Amino acid sequence: DGGITQSPKYLFRKEGQNVTLSCEQNLNHDAMYWYRQDPGQGLRLIYYSQIVNDFQKGDIAEGYSVSREKKESFPLTVTSAQKNPTAFYLCASSSDSQRTQYFGPGTRLLVL
Amino acid sequence: KQEVTQIPAALSVPEGENLVLNCSFTDSAIYNLQWFRQDPGKGLTSLLLIQSSQREQTSGRLNASLDKSSGRSTLYIAASQPGDSATYLCAVKDTGTASKLTFGTGTRLQVTL
Repeated sequence: DGGITQSPKYLFRKEGQNVTLSCEQNLNHDAMYWYRQDPGQGLRLIYYSQIVNDFQKGDIAEGYSVSREKKESFPLTVTSAQKNPTAFYLCASSSDSQRTQYFGPGTRLLVL
Repeated sequence: KQEVTQIPAALSVPEGENLVLNCSFTDSAIYNLQWFRQDPGKGLTSLLLIQSSQREQTSGRLNASLDKSSGRSTLYIAASQPGDSATYLCAVKDTGTASKLTFGTGTRLQVTL
């Protein structure tokens, strides 16, 4: 089946710890995105990548890092610098930046 | 800066009723507008995408309209069913930004038996 997978479904972070959220797609899409969703707020863009080996900051990139070494993969690292990481993280992809974005099932990050 | 507002925040209707969800945006220089559905704890599913040159799009019982000059879009759901219960999100892609979607906070819909 074609689609976007995110893992894990739930992730727990300890103080001072970096954690990495996985996002993989087999849709052959060039563009990939990471969003954060908080209760009562719309989705906010963290980072996006329009092509392999290139990525751009979104509106709330501080405390996060990404890489795009392969077309299929766009992992997001939540660093210890992100002081309020508890949220629902959604990954998306599109064939190009103007097309419909398709979303993964999300990862919920909780702080211990 | 583009801002997207959705009203109402929550809506409860009996099964079979037709309903309208509203979305407004502050900057009319948009490339397209999308409506998404989100079930609790899940990702988003794209329902309809309207290009800036279009006035409406239809898919089954769903019809989305776009009035770019007034900064408004509506999502019309005909003959609502309990399975339509979800949060509906509106998102706008601006012409000046390559990839960014600006999302509204959503309307949480409950269709009761």
